Amino acid sequence: AQSVTQPDIHITVSEGASLELRCNYSYGATPYLFWYVQSPGQGLQLLLKYFSGDTLVQGIKGFEAEFKRSQSSFNLRKPSVHWSDAAEYFCAVVSMDSSYKLIFGSGTRLLVRP
Amino acid sequence: SQTIHQWPATLVQPVGSPLSLECTVEGTSNPNLYWYRQAAGRGLQLLFYSVGIGQISSEVPQNLSASRPQDRQFILSSKKLLLSDSGFYLCACINGLDFSDRAYTDTQYFGPGTRLTVL
Repeated sequence: AQSVTQPDIHITVSEGASLELRCNYSYGATPYLFWYVQSPGQGLQLLLKYFSGDTLVQGIKGFEAEFKRSQSSFNLRKPSVHWSDAAEYFCAVVSMDSSYKLIFGSGTRLLVRP
Repeated sequence: SQTIHQWPATLVQPVGSPLSLECTVEGTSNPNLYWYRQAAGRGLQLLFYSVGIGQISSEVPQNLSASRPQDRQFILSSKKLLLSDSGFYLCACINGLDFSDRAYTDTQYFGPGTRLTVL
């Protein structure tokens, strides 16, 4: 069965510092991968997605993610974090059965120090 | 592009009362529809999905049920709410699927959510 692991429950970075959020997936073939962000009390916003092609994917708000098949990873990065980036981040993979449901990781909460 | 509407946005209900949450979708036809729940401080759990009118699949046994009376309408219900039903309920939609040749260009979109508090 497909699964997604986000090993970091919380991450704290200083404003202006770089950020990397980890995501590992379990799937035999090339997966469809997503990163979503959720601000407190809000819904989910899509940051970026990977389906095929270039393994470095650019998203909104200055985020990027790199698909690494050899490591089964899809880590999210940002070169310089802003205070407004404080939120919860979810990695997800599409289930390749008839449901096409999204299987989510447990999320990483990002705190930004002034 | 598609738009997903959910109502109500916020709901406070007593234990044992019934529930009806509605999700409607614009800008697409014959989508797959999903209900997810996010309990406080927890991740996202898929509750139900539907690939067509009247077709409902349940992911976990629970106190809730779902129905799809129309192509772009998805309803989440309960006859008697439990305290554990509290959470943030998100409706989601997929269309334009073509996974066989990786031509899938559309994305699962989420509605704004309904925050349910059961007291």
